[in-house]
Amino acid sequence: GQQVMQIPQYQHVQEGEDFTTYCNSSTTLSNIQWYKQRPGGHPVFLIQLVKSGEVKKQKRLTFQFGEAKKNSSLHITATQTTDVGTYFCAGREGGSYIPTFGRGTSLIVHP
Amino acid sequence: DGGITQSPKYLFRKEGQNVTLSCEQNLNHDAMYWYRQDPGQGLRLIYYSQIVNDFQKGDIAEGYSVSREKKESFPLTVTSAQKNPTAFYLCASSISGGNQPQHFGDGTRLSIL
Repeated sequence: GQQVMQIPQYQHVQEGEDFTTYCNSSTTLSNIQWYKQRPGGHPVFLIQLVKSGEVKKQKRLTFQFGEAKKNSSLHITATQTTDVGTYFCAGREGGSYIPTFGRGTSLIVHP
Repeated sequence: DGGITQSPKYLFRKEGQNVTLSCEQNLNHDAMYWYRQDPGQGLRLIYYSQIVNDFQKGDIAEGYSVSREKKESFPLTVTSAQKNPTAFYLCASSISGGNQPQHFGDGTRLSIL
């Protein structure tokens, strides 16, 4: 079945440093979604990427979808303590009704 | 405000007991989902429903059951056959499947007494 690998599992950064999490799929994806889960909270949808090579930005967050549509990344510039949480990618194969979630990357920001 | 309501927030189960977790949405979404979250495991799909009176098994359906008699409701029963039920359970919905983002409830934390 489809697998979505996400790395790293954890990332500690000093406030102001950059952060990147990566997702890799074993198969070509139709689309990929990104979610953020704050500690003690529930996942909240951030963005969806559909096109090959697509890049989208939300303030300090940059999302990329690979040319082959098998990988994606989320980059945060100059992290803040409000960025703390777990970031999940969820990739969907073309023939599948539902996406498969990666295991998530937990971001810890030290002030 | 529209949203997804899960109840209870915390639930304790005795050995051999079935428990039911509630999930209600007023977003008029067709699709609903149940996930289990364990530390370091991400979100694993238990069951999903594309439409009323229809549901499909996810990756870890053994020991769980669901029903979808109403569009707005998708309860999950954790049966006594589920030997390791302690986890955080999340319900979600989307307008339909595929390209639509999922909206999550606040979750139910289930523990064994």
